Amino acid sequence: DAGVIQSPRHEVTEMGQEVTLRCKPISGHNSLFWYRQTMMRGLELLIYFNNNVPIDDSGMPEDRFSAKMPNASFSTLKIQPSEPRDSAVYFCASSRLGVQETQYFGPGTRLLVL
Amino acid sequence: AQKITQTQPGMFVQEKEAVTLDCTYDTSDQSYGLFWYKQPSSGEMIFLIYQGSYDEQNATEGRYSLNFQKARKSANLVISASQLGDSAMYFCAMREAGSLSGAGSYQLTFGKGTKLSVIP
Repeated sequence: DAGVIQSPRHEVTEMGQEVTLRCKPISGHNSLFWYRQTMMRGLELLIYFNNNVPIDDSGMPEDRFSAKMPNASFSTLKIQPSEPRDSAVYFCASSRLGVQETQYFGPGTRLLVL
Repeated sequence: AQKITQTQPGMFVQEKEAVTLDCTYDTSDQSYGLFWYKQPSSGEMIFLIYQGSYDEQNATEGRYSLNFQKARKSANLVISASQLGDSAMYFCAMREAGSLSGAGSYQLTFGKGTKLSVIP
C-alpha cells in the first residue's frame, strides 16, 4: 500500500513568492495533519482535518499560511508570501479517527526560502 | 504543564547493548494511546510501537518494547541489542480523544525527543 505522499520533496524559493505544498493521505484515513519541524522549535502541529473539515488551526503561524482539504485524498498547505523564517521541513501525516489509531507521516517537504 | 516529557536530550549506548528512553505523560483521559517514532538523519518519521491505555501487557515489536507503567504515567521505550542503524532521534507521543469544537479531536502530542547515538 502507498504511504502518505508529499510533493514536492524539496523546494527552494525566494522571499515573497507563493509556495504550495501538497499531500495525499493514505486511502481510508479520515484525519490529516500538517506539521512543521525546525531545529529551534522542534515539531509543531500547524493544522489538522477530520473528515476534510479543519478542526484546529491554532498552530498556523499567521495569515500568510492557509490549508485546504477539498476532498478525502488531497490537501494543500500554502504560504503567501513566503519569508526566510518559513524555511523548515513540512510533514503531512494521516490516520483513522481514534486514540488507538497510528498516525503515519509522509517523507516531508524541505522548504528553503532565500 | 507539558503533556509529554522526554528528559534525556541525548543518550549514548554501546552496540549490542540495551537502552531505555524515558517518556512520561500527563492526561486526565481514561482512554489514550502512546506512540514512539524514530527519525533518522535522513529525516523521515517512522512509527515504531503503540501502547493503548487499556492494554494490560507491554507492547513489543521486534527489538522494541514499551515499558508501560500506567500509575506512574510512564511509557519508556526499550531497544534491545542496539545496532548502529538505531542512531536517530526518538519521539514519544500521546493521542487523546480531546473535545475541541465539541467533537473528538484525536490530536497527537509529541515530546521534544531524545537523540540516541550507538557507539561501535
